[in-house]
Amino acid sequence: EDKVVQSPLSLVVHEGDTVTLNCSYEVTNFRSLLWYKQEKKAPTFLFMLTSSGIEKKSGRLSSILDKKELFSILNITATQTGDSAVYLCAVNTGNQFYFGTGTSLTVIP
Amino acid sequence: GAVVSQHPSWVICKSGTSVKIECRSLDFQATTMFWYRQFPKQSLMLMATSNEGSKATYEQGVEKDKFLINHASLTLSTLTVTSAHPEDSSFYICSAPGQFSYNEQFFGPGTRLTVL
Repeated sequence: EDKVVQSPLSLVVHEGDTVTLNCSYEVTNFRSLLWYKQEKKAPTFLFMLTSSGIEKKSGRLSSILDKKELFSILNITATQTGDSAVYLCAVNTGNQFYFGTGTSLTVIP
Repeated sequence: GAVVSQHPSWVICKSGTSVKIECRSLDFQATTMFWYRQFPKQSLMLMATSNEGSKATYEQGVEKDKFLINHASLTLSTLTVTSAHPEDSSFYICSAPGQFSYNEQFFGPGTRLTVL
């Protein structure tokens, strides 16, 4: 059964902390892994990863994929209150997307 | 965990025809479901909020008459793309919030629509 599992389910940190969000997957036909940030209406796309070991970086956010161990991590350094959101991981198998249930991040001032 | 399914997983149709996409919550009730469309560069756009027993709430810029939404029961919402055109080709994804928190969203696997 294809699935995507995210951990932790929720996380509360203080401003300035660094967080690591995890996404593991089991799918039969991996094409890409995507990270989204959901605050209100629709998830905002963050990264798409297709190759192992290549870090994608955008400001304080970075992500990397391990296709051998079947997981990805999303790192956020020097967290800010604006980083509070649900972070979703999704795996694209070509014709389908498998979403995790998300990690709810709360950053306290 | 909660599961949301979509049917069909992919569909190819001719321009001018209508296509119905189903979104089902398999083991929980969902009074609200959300419909998204995926655009190039992977962004997801919220199209509408489907409410069981009442009219859907559409986002600005989404044509109500073109994208008909019916939330027939507590486990089923349907999106009908009427008079489809090639520019409607996209992934359509639905989600349903968890029973206890809107922070927890369960996404369907998506339906790939290709309009020829």
